[in-house]
Amino acid sequence: EAAVTQSPRSKVAVTGGKVTLSCHQTNNHDYMYWYRQDTGHGLRLIHYSYVADSTEKGDIPDGYKASRPSQENFSLILELASLSQTAVYFCASRSNQDTQYFGPGTRLLVL
Amino acid sequence: EQQVQQSPASLVLQEGENAELQCSFSIFTNQVQWFYQRPGGRLVSLLYNPSGTKQSGRLTSTTVIKERRSSLHISSSQITDSGTYLCAMEPGGYKVVFGSGTRLLVSP
Repeated sequence: EAAVTQSPRSKVAVTGGKVTLSCHQTNNHDYMYWYRQDTGHGLRLIHYSYVADSTEKGDIPDGYKASRPSQENFSLILELASLSQTAVYFCASRSNQDTQYFGPGTRLLVL
Repeated sequence: EQQVQQSPASLVLQEGENAELQCSFSIFTNQVQWFYQRPGGRLVSLLYNPSGTKQSGRLTSTTVIKERRSSLHISSSQITDSGTYLCAMEPGGYKVVFGSGTRLLVSP
């Protein structure tokens, strides 16, 4: 079973502060993804990566940065957190021609 | 912008009834996936269904690429099937795009 972990599992941040969400996978997958989920909505793609040291913008990248320092780790960075970034964030990984494996999610509340 | 539309948005069934969930795509794709999510939980892959029909237990997914649609059939629903079902497609370039989901409630 693919293993994807996220930290922290929940976080309260202040408006204008910096937030870093971390994702770690132990499955040697090439592709990793960051999504946000808002109440009553599906997942929206923020950033993704198909190789270490390279990231790509998804559908809603504004206000977010991503970092992929190694194949196993993929971080999402909110340099200046805003109220509108309150959401649940999911990380996922996959290999080519296979399904995605998701982490448990991080609940972020920006006050 | 690539889009995924799911219907119905919500569905209430009595235990034992069957469910049919629909997914349509704004572009042609040959990579379709169905996921399940409990409230507040992580997504779990149900079926990875490039084309045709694929079955797993009480779940059957049918994807018709040329019509840009996929469906998920749940037979003999159980209370534990309650949750959100999400459809996703790959438009290319390693991206995966999700629909907004169908919220299913199965009552006794």
